[in-house]
Amino acid sequence: RKEVEQDPGPFNVPEGATVAFNCTYSNSASQSFFWYRQDCRKEPKLLMSVYSSGNEDGRFTAQLNRASQYISLLIRDSKLSDSATYLCVVHTGGFKTIFGAGTRLFVKA
Amino acid sequence: DAGVIQSPRHEVTEMGQEVTLRCKPISGHNSLFWYRQTMMRGLELLIYFNNNVPIDDSGMPEDRFSAKMPNASFSTLKIQPSEPRDSAVYFCASSSPGTGSSGANVLTFGAGSRLTVL
Repeated sequence: RKEVEQDPGPFNVPEGATVAFNCTYSNSASQSFFWYRQDCRKEPKLLMSVYSSGNEDGRFTAQLNRASQYISLLIRDSKLSDSATYLCVVHTGGFKTIFGAGTRLFVKA
Repeated sequence: DAGVIQSPRHEVTEMGQEVTLRCKPISGHNSLFWYRQTMMRGLELLIYFNNNVPIDDSGMPEDRFSAKMPNASFSTLKIQPSEPRDSAVYFCASSSPGTGSSGANVLTFGAGSRLTVL
């Protein structure tokens, strides 16, 4: 079983749609959680950290369920510029950071 | 801040040749990571350093791969001899120290080195 698993997609949605991505992790001792965004032929960049209480940044909401070892990302009112690959990231402690394979999102006009 | 700087950005070489990829982390970051990305396998963690010391190299595919961090501002990833299956984008990333502090464990990536082995 992979340490971090994501639905690879692709998700094809129209502008204005709400889309949700899920991610599960296997190490119950994992300490920190993040969502990164990667545009085509670019490096991954931090989108947002994920906190146990859930957190929101504009149109983006991230949630963490430690009991189920599950992380989610919700994007509301999708824009064309949201088209990218979204990477679920888990920091397992001891400086080790593991990336999921990513979920591809295409937002259509 | 110039961010994480990697060189070369692109490298095309022939099978059997030695390849050296270079990375300069962000000043003040004390953890450095080497990742490899392919379409088939996604982002794979190869090795990471803390305070210039290799902590975990279990992701290094085989003995042909080696990495060093002689000081806090420079790291290399070497492949010798290279093979076509090593073709990938190699990313270097660095992060700030500590846990629980703002920005801790957040990785900043370089632009990557795209390697093609013919």
